Amino acid sequence: EPEVTQTPSHQVTQMGQEVILRCVPISNHLYFYWYRQILGQKVEFLVSFYNNEISEKSEIFDDQFSVERPDGSNFTLKIRSTKLEDSAMYFCASSGQPNQPQHFGDGTRLSIL
Amino acid sequence: EDKVVQSPLSLVVHEGDTVTLNCSYEVTNFRSLLWYKQEKKAPTFLFMLTSSGIEKKSGRLSSILDKKELSSILNITATQTGDSAIYLCAVEPDNTDKLIFGTGTRLQVFP
Repeated sequence: EPEVTQTPSHQVTQMGQEVILRCVPISNHLYFYWYRQILGQKVEFLVSFYNNEISEKSEIFDDQFSVERPDGSNFTLKIRSTKLEDSAMYFCASSGQPNQPQHFGDGTRLSIL
Repeated sequence: EDKVVQSPLSLVVHEGDTVTLNCSYEVTNFRSLLWYKQEKKAPTFLFMLTSSGIEKKSGRLSSILDKKELSSILNITATQTGDSAIYLCAVEPDNTDKLIFGTGTRLQVFP
């Protein structure tokens, strides 16, 4: 069964550094999403992406964050100048249509030291 | 503010028991409600519900939506240890791309 894949599974970074989290969505999907889950808290929406542009973003997704689809398969989340509170599990998801279920990857655990 | 509330927060049962997990929501312009199972990593899609009163079933799992009561239940019959996981409920408002998640119900099934 097709699945969303994310790399790396765990990323440890010094505060202030930049990180790029990578995702390969399901191949025929057109809608892409990033969510995060801080330890012990709810899964929170960050951003959605369609047709090479952001379609919606949350208050969390400020100027520190950016997303890109650099080629036909990858979808990336960049976090500039990381802060301690950016430590979380980051999930990528994709769907074929907006009214179809979103399918999630295994996540990247980001630890900021 | 849109929100999703799940209960109970935690549930411990023995194999063979039947469990019912609850999800209630307050959202502007509801589109759909989704259930996911989260073991160690990715939330795995279980059901998507859009219409009231129509049960969706997959093996021992079933779910139904009540739009009047703004709620949904997820039933698991004849539980197995492999059912142990966090079950997440999420709601998708209309005219938006995002899912709004509840805190989840942690289910532990012991032999």
